[in-house]
Amino acid sequence: GQQLNQSPQSMFIQEGEDVSMNCTSSSIFNTWLWYKQDPGEGPVLLIALYKAGELTSNGRLTAQFGITRKDSFLNISASIPSDVGIYFCAGLQLIYQLIWGAGTKLIIKP
Amino acid sequence: EAGVVQSPRYKIIEKKQPVAFWCNPISGHNTLYWYRQNLGQGPELLIRYENEEAVDDSQLPKDRFSAERLKGVDSTLKIQPAELGDSAVYLCASSSRQGSYGYTFGSGTRLTVV
Repeated sequence: GQQLNQSPQSMFIQEGEDVSMNCTSSSIFNTWLWYKQDPGEGPVLLIALYKAGELTSNGRLTAQFGITRKDSFLNISASIPSDVGIYFCAGLQLIYQLIWGAGTKLIIKP
Repeated sequence: EAGVVQSPRYKIIEKKQPVAFWCNPISGHNTLYWYRQNLGQGPELLIRYENEEAVDDSQLPKDRFSAERLKGVDSTLKIQPAELGDSAVYLCASSSRQGSYGYTFGSGTRLTVV
């Protein structure tokens, strides 16, 4: 099936550092979504992007819908311990068909 | 408001045994989804309900998987018989309107088939 290439697979960062992750695809998407999943929980929607070139923020999180509609980026500024978890991108082509990336695991170094 | 409630949280069964998962969506949410999430991967849609009607079950392995949503509220996902490869987290999600993808996920049921 269709795939989203999400990178990096995991990140070890120091508290206070900025974080960047991205998703790319060979296909065009109409909407990009970013989710966070904590251990033992379901994913929670962080940011939704609806238009190519769109830049949207949610607190310390900023996401962008790539101009080609084939990629998206998520940045976290000044990371804190509660940012640990797995971040998923998901692309929407048809109205109900979400294609998910494999996730970026964020780990904060002690 | 209460979130999406799933039970059980964990289930360990032997292969070839049946298993069932239950989901209670957020009150008033007409759309209900069942997803399967394998370790290290994103969720994969199994089935989507609009009220009591299964409107997309194209990814549901129908030889062993079945689902129902009686009265358009609670839903049950069943596997019979389970195989080793069915070990995964089964997530239920619901949303209040069609096309709303900011849906709310439950905590999932972690299935281990031994």
